[in-house]
Amino acid sequence: DTAVSQTPKYLVTQMGNDKSIKCEQNLGHDTMYWYKQDSKKFLKIMFSYNNKELIINETVPNRFSPKSPDKAHLNLHINSLELGDSAVYFCASSPTWWGVGNIQYFGAGTRLSVL
Amino acid sequence: GENVEQHPSTLSVQEGDSAVIKCTYSDSASNYFPWYKQELGKRPQLIIDIRSNVGEKKDQRIAVTLNKTAKHFSLHITETQPEDSAVYFCAAAKAGRRALTFGSGTRLQVQP
Repeated sequence: DTAVSQTPKYLVTQMGNDKSIKCEQNLGHDTMYWYKQDSKKFLKIMFSYNNKELIINETVPNRFSPKSPDKAHLNLHINSLELGDSAVYFCASSPTWWGVGNIQYFGAGTRLSVL
Repeated sequence: GENVEQHPSTLSVQEGDSAVIKCTYSDSASNYFPWYKQELGKRPQLIIDIRSNVGEKKDQRIAVTLNKTAKHFSLHITETQPEDSAVYFCAAAKAGRRALTFGSGTRLQVQP
């Protein structure tokens, strides 16, 4: 069984459209994340949720809105897509933060191409 | 905020040689340092991690060293094999911040 699954795997869309990416984890983790990997492979945190509560929002444009209906799901909705949004978006999860650091498990990624 | 620098950006070695990738971090409060391997088109996968109360950790052909004073840590791969070819990322995290700050990645190519 896939531990962290995200859909869709590929997303091709036109500028100006609105799209969503879904993520689910079956590991029982409390914390979930969205990372963005650009064309140069830089991996950067966008959002982090702990038990459905937003705890990190890394100066991401308001067009990006994460939603966590429960602690096993973290979805990403993007409004008014721009060319610069083209990237691979990775969802990840980790167990309760014990204060020192925990392994993060990544989903397979969603490759978003904005035309 | 935390800044992690990683070198080199590309590394080519012959099969059987050793490979070393180095990272420095800026936030002295960081205390967790994982290394991820990402094969082409795949997800990042944790290969080894080290916490700040440990100076070195080894797992078969992979080892990580940490120098807290100098704020740098390194990944060492011995007896490299073609299947080690991938992009390797170092990262840093600290208590209270539920996210990783990644280095820029090193593309390792192991020539058979």
